[in-house]
Amino acid sequence: QQQVKQSPQSLIVQKGGIPIINCAYENTAFDYFPWYQQFPGKGPALLIAIRPDVSEKKEGRFTISFNKSAKQFSLHIMDSQPGDSATYFCAALGGSQGNLIFGKGTKLSVKP
Amino acid sequence: KAGVTQTPRYLIKTRGQQVTLSCSPISGHRSVSWYQQTPGQGLQFLFEYFSETQRNKGNFPGRFSGRQFSNSRSEMNVSTLELGDSALYLCASSPGGPLLGELFFGEGSRLTVL
Repeated sequence: QQQVKQSPQSLIVQKGGIPIINCAYENTAFDYFPWYQQFPGKGPALLIAIRPDVSEKKEGRFTISFNKSAKQFSLHIMDSQPGDSATYFCAALGGSQGNLIFGKGTKLSVKP
Repeated sequence: KAGVTQTPRYLIKTRGQQVTLSCSPISGHRSVSWYQQTPGQGLQFLFEYFSETQRNKGNFPGRFSGRQFSNSRSEMNVSTLELGDSALYLCASSPGGPLLGELFFGEGSRLTVL
């Protein structure tokens, strides 16, 4: 009930490609879904977040798609760049869950 | 504005010892959360403190404990260290807690237990 399942574990794309990272959750009380980006040697940093009252949110080259009925959400990175190479974590929060529950992360590598 | 500061950044301990990690949150932030990060388990929530009170606790044994001081600085302690405690320990601060928005993470304290 409290898990957030993230896939794939790792992803390699060419520069300009559109990597897609998927997450699924079970707890229907979750109402806040952020994505965090982590570079080696650094802590995670908030990239973009969505609430379930919208199906899509864009910020620059990053887009979250949200499917409430399927209890799934995904991150798309348009025109990916080598500088986007990092580990991406989805997370969820809400209901009686007062702390962020993170997926296990996706290591993205964007080749030049 | 200074970010979240964690000390020490790296440390090596042996089994059975104890360790104390420190976190200074962003000025004005009253909530501090701690996470354990390992390659196999990802980011796992340890506990959250708000105004010196533990408000939330994850599913870790009692060997893991924490506290928060009146200036919002926080410490976590791990006693009787085990090999499996080797991990990156991340501290995150926020103005009012995770329910109210973004967590700001420090760079972590990397603990190696030999």
